[in-house]
Amino acid sequence: DADVTQTPRNRITKTGKRIMLECSQTKGHDRMYWYRQDPGLGLRLIYYSFDVKDINKGEISDGYSVSRQAQAKFSLSLESAIPNQTALYFCATSDRETSATDTQYFGPGTRLTVL
Amino acid sequence: GQNIDQPTEMTATEGAIVQINCTYQTSGFNGLFWYQQHAGEAPTFLSYNVLDGLEEKGRFSSFLSRSKGYSYLLLKELQMKDSASYLCAVRDLGGGYQKVTFGTGTKLQVIP
Repeated sequence: DADVTQTPRNRITKTGKRIMLECSQTKGHDRMYWYRQDPGLGLRLIYYSFDVKDINKGEISDGYSVSRQAQAKFSLSLESAIPNQTALYFCATSDRETSATDTQYFGPGTRLTVL
Repeated sequence: GQNIDQPTEMTATEGAIVQINCTYQTSGFNGLFWYQQHAGEAPTFLSYNVLDGLEEKGRFSSFLSRSKGYSYLLLKELQMKDSASYLCAVRDLGGGYQKVTFGTGTKLQVIP
C-alpha cells in the first residue's frame, strides 16, 4: 500500500468551480506539503504544514487554500479555479528533522485541468 | 532567496557514465538533495549531501562543494530505466525555518 495517497488522480473542471484535492499519509510524518509542477518551472511550493496547528504559505499561495484536518490529512482547495491553475499537483510529507535529512516523500500526483 | 541552475536536458549512452551538475546560491545552506522523477510520476529521493565530498550509493553518487555552491550527480553503468528527470533541491535556513527549493530538473535520455 502506498504511504502517501492523493485523490483524485485526474480531474477536469471548468473555470470558476471549487475544487478540493486530498492527501493522506500513513508514514506518521508531521510535516506535509503541496506543490504544483509545470513544464519548465519545476516544483513550486504552494503551502506547507509542520503540524496540525501550523500552516504556512509557500511561494505561490494566491488562489489556493489548505486545511490540515489531522496529522495524516492535508487538503488543497482552489476556491474558484482558473485555467492557469492547470498543472500536476503533488503532496509530500517529511519527518521532523533531528539529525535526519528531512527527506520529502511524494504522493503519486493529481493532474488537474481547468477549462 | 535561492537560485538553482541545472542543465535542461542531457543525452547519454547505455552503459556509460553521466554527470549532472547543479549550482546554487543561497544565504543559509543546510543540505542538498537529488530526486529522480520519471515522466508523469512522483519524485523519489536519491541522495542527500550536507558536508563536502562524495556520497556513493550503488550506481549513483553525489558530490557537494559548499564553498563553490556546486553539486553533481554521477550515474554509472547507465540503464535505459535511468531515463528520467533529475531534480536538484537545496535546503535553506533563511527566515528561521527549513525551506527546500527545487531546481527545474535535468531531463536525461539514455539511448542504446
